[in-house]
Amino acid sequence: AQTVTQSQPEMSVQEAETVTLSCTYDTSESDYYLFWYKQPPSRQMILVIRQEAYKQQNATENRFSVNFQKAAKSFSLKISDSQLGDAAMYFCAYRRNTGTASKLTFGTGTRLQVTL
Amino acid sequence: DGGITQSPKYLFRKEGQNVTLSCEQNLNHDAMYWYRQDPGQGLRLIYYSQIVNDFQKGDIAEGYSVSREKKESFPLTVTSAQKNPTAFYLCASRPPGGSNEKLFFGSGTQLSVL
Repeated sequence: AQTVTQSQPEMSVQEAETVTLSCTYDTSESDYYLFWYKQPPSRQMILVIRQEAYKQQNATENRFSVNFQKAAKSFSLKISDSQLGDAAMYFCAYRRNTGTASKLTFGTGTRLQVTL
Repeated sequence: DGGITQSPKYLFRKEGQNVTLSCEQNLNHDAMYWYRQDPGQGLRLIYYSQIVNDFQKGDIAEGYSVSREKKESFPLTVTSAQKNPTAFYLCASRPPGGSNEKLFFGSGTQLSVL
């Protein structure tokens, strides 16, 4: 079974600084997808960024980028120029590419605090 | 506006009682999912459905039941067999296409035991 591990329960960053959230996963598959979701205090789940395992290039979305290390099974999220609105729970998630019953497996989350 | 609607926002269950959480979507998505969120444990999959009249157990299905009689609706029943039902429940759907498609989430239901 696939597992996703987020080893940092809480992280803190100053406004305008950069922070990196860690995620590792365990799988025997070679074709899969990885996601980072954000959950602010409203509890609404918001997709931040996604990465296809077959792509060597790291995904970027504005201030958000990933460092995808397939051999090490590592998928970290870097937030640049942190803003107060970035404060939230961040979940790493994995889905294998089965084409049909592809369920999403989540990590336990990292709570990010943004300070002035 | 298209989206996923979960109701109620808050729900209280008495011991021995079954309760049903509603999830409706007007996005025309085939796949729908139910997740449970506990503090410090992330989201865990309860049940999912790829198509009408078909559904599969997730990782923590015991004490729960679902139905998928209509494409738009995927209600979750928390039965009396679920001894620790207090949690935040999230419903999601996924558009057709590749597995890189994101999930669309509802706003959740907080279930508590009286």
